[in-house]
This record gives sequence, C-alpha cells and structure tokens, in this order.
Amino acid sequence: EIVLTQSPGTLSLSPGERATLSCRASQSVSSSYLAWYQQKPGQAPRLLIYGASSRATGIPDRFSGSGSGTDFTLTISRLEPEDFAVYYCQQYGSSPPTFGPGTKVDIK
Amino acid sequence: QVQLVQSGAEVKKPGSSVKVSCKASGGTFSSYAISWVRQAPGQGLEWMGGIIPIFGTANYAQKFQGRVTITADESTSTAYMELSSLRSEDTAVYYCAREGASGYPGGGYFDYWGQGTLVTVSS
Repeated sequence: EIVLTQSPGTLSLSPGERATLSCRASQSVSSSYLAWYQQKPGQAPRLLIYGASSRATGIPDRFSGSGSGTDFTLTISRLEPEDFAVYYCQQYGSSPPTFGPGTKVDIK
Repeated sequence: QVQLVQSGAEVKKPGSSVKVSCKASGGTFSSYAISWVRQAPGQGLEWMGGIIPIFGTANYAQKFQGRVTITADESTSTAYMELSSLRSEDTAVYYCAREGASGYPGGGYFDYWGQGTLVTVSS
C-alpha cells in the first residue's frame, strides 16, 4: 500500500500568514488522485481538495492544492481564525486508500 | 444536500461485535460507494472498507478481512458496518463517508461524512 508522509507535524502561524503543508507518497500516486481534508476537534473531516488541485464545493479560494507523482502541497494563502485545525492528505489512486498522519496548524 | 446520519455511541465487551448504521438522505444512495473510516483517540484516519449499494459487493482493507462486514439496504438508504471479535484497540470513532466519482469502494475521495460513532471496547 502507498504510505503518505506529511510535514511538518505542527505548523505554528499567526492569522493572515501563509501556510504551506507537504504530503509525500512512498510511490507515485496514479492520476494525481490525491485529496486534502480539514478536521477540527470533535468533528468529521471536511473535503477541501480532490484530484490534487480541484477545490471541493464551497471551499474558499484561499485554499489551493498542487503537485503530482509523489509530492503534493496544500497552501492556505492567508490564514483565517477558522483555519486552525488538523489537515490530512489521502491518496485514492490505488487500493487501499490511505491517509497521511496529519499536520496540525495552530496559532502562534 | 447529502446527509449521512449514524447510529449512537456503543460500549462493548472484548470479544463481542458491534454494528453501526449510516442513513443517507438528499442524494442518490445506490450508485455511490459508501466507505467506513475509523479514527482511534488522538490518531489519524484508517480506511476499513466500502460498498456500492447497487452492486452489493463490499471491498475490505486487508487488515480487517474476516472481522468486518459492510452491507447496504437500498430500500432504506442505509449502510451498515459490523466489526466482530472486538478488542481494546478497536476503541475509535467510526465514520461512514460517501465517495465522490468512484468506480469501486475505496477508489475515490470522501465528499460527505457522517457525524461519527464512538465505539468503546472495555471489560
């Protein structure tokens, strides 16, 4: 199965700053089938990005995804207070679908 | 708007089984894959398996083969996940999630999620 590694483990930033989150796969992700999710405490994950760079319905344009092959990035252009959360990447190009361990974005 | 509503929290003894339900509304239930993803306390997300109701055949993660059974009832738009031989390590929040644009269970991203069901395994 494809193992996903996310870095950094924790990102401490202030509102208004730019956040860059990395997701690296142990082998190439087929057809850029890579998704990103946001999860807040006590809530289910929320889909942000699919197909590496397509925003899900209702997701603000400050969230963007990029990358291909084994290296993917989620960028939040200007952090809003509601963006402080844990972010997971997920590949669905090969079975089983797997998730990264997450990056926590917290307030500096 | 698609909604997935799961059954309530469960407390189970080691060695027993648990069955969690996930009722869908607001969309076409039968033709989308429904998967189950679990999250142990303070941990990440783990895919267990899924089903496309119109086909009825489930696909399971190897780790859970033989212990998990996923079914779906098209007449009530409800999916079920039953996990047997429970042990303390199975204590987790169990989520159902709909897969967008997936040709087989586990082949898509998860665009709608249930609220989660906490299953606690304790003697």
